Amino acid sequence: KAGVTQTPRYLIKTRGQQVTLSCSPISGHRSVSWYQQTPGQGLQFLFEYFSETQRNKGNFPGRFSGRQFSNSRSEMNVSTLELGDSALYLCASSRGTGTGAYEQYFGPGTRLTVT
Amino acid sequence: KNEVEQSPQNLTAQEGEFITINCSYSVGISALHWLQQHPGGGIVSLFMLSSGKKKHGRLIATINIQEKHSSLHITASHPRDSAVYICAVDPGGATNKLIFGTGTLLAVQP
Repeated sequence: KAGVTQTPRYLIKTRGQQVTLSCSPISGHRSVSWYQQTPGQGLQFLFEYFSETQRNKGNFPGRFSGRQFSNSRSEMNVSTLELGDSALYLCASSRGTGTGAYEQYFGPGTRLTVT
Repeated sequence: KNEVEQSPQNLTAQEGEFITINCSYSVGISALHWLQQHPGGGIVSLFMLSSGKKKHGRLIATINIQEKHSSLHITASHPRDSAVYICAVDPGGATNKLIFGTGTLLAVQP
């Protein structure tokens, strides 16, 4: 079974630009969560999608958005990039059908550098 | 105060030593995860537990729900165990949000 894939793996953007990152979950997984990792703040939850619906959102500005498609693939978008958006962006997929805990499987991440 | 606290932040051990990493949390949870992150970024899930104890090879994880505390033990440590170990809690509900500790950087020297 293929793991979680993320594209692109590395990205360099300029302040003010926008960026779209993609995540393909493990086949059969309908939940995709996105996380931001920075040296200063560590790992922080961005949002989670399940069956094309956003179920939860972390404490990030509205410049951060996402969506999920009918095949469970997910994208996140960051508009008007700031230097502080430089980070490793990780997605994780799980079966996550309802309440209760589910193991999460992480992708390799997309390293975004904003100059 | 962070909702998930880990200790120690840094740990250096000699090969073969027994290692313990601690995690305390202040929120209600449905499960606690132990994750491993090697340089380069990839995160691997080691354990997910909601009670008791689990063992995979040389790794053991325990959790005490009443005390809101978990430990990760590594027996007979090896240089390939060098990594960042991260504790994360799932606060429950109909979502898969995780709240993370700051991680423990482990270096095992030969």
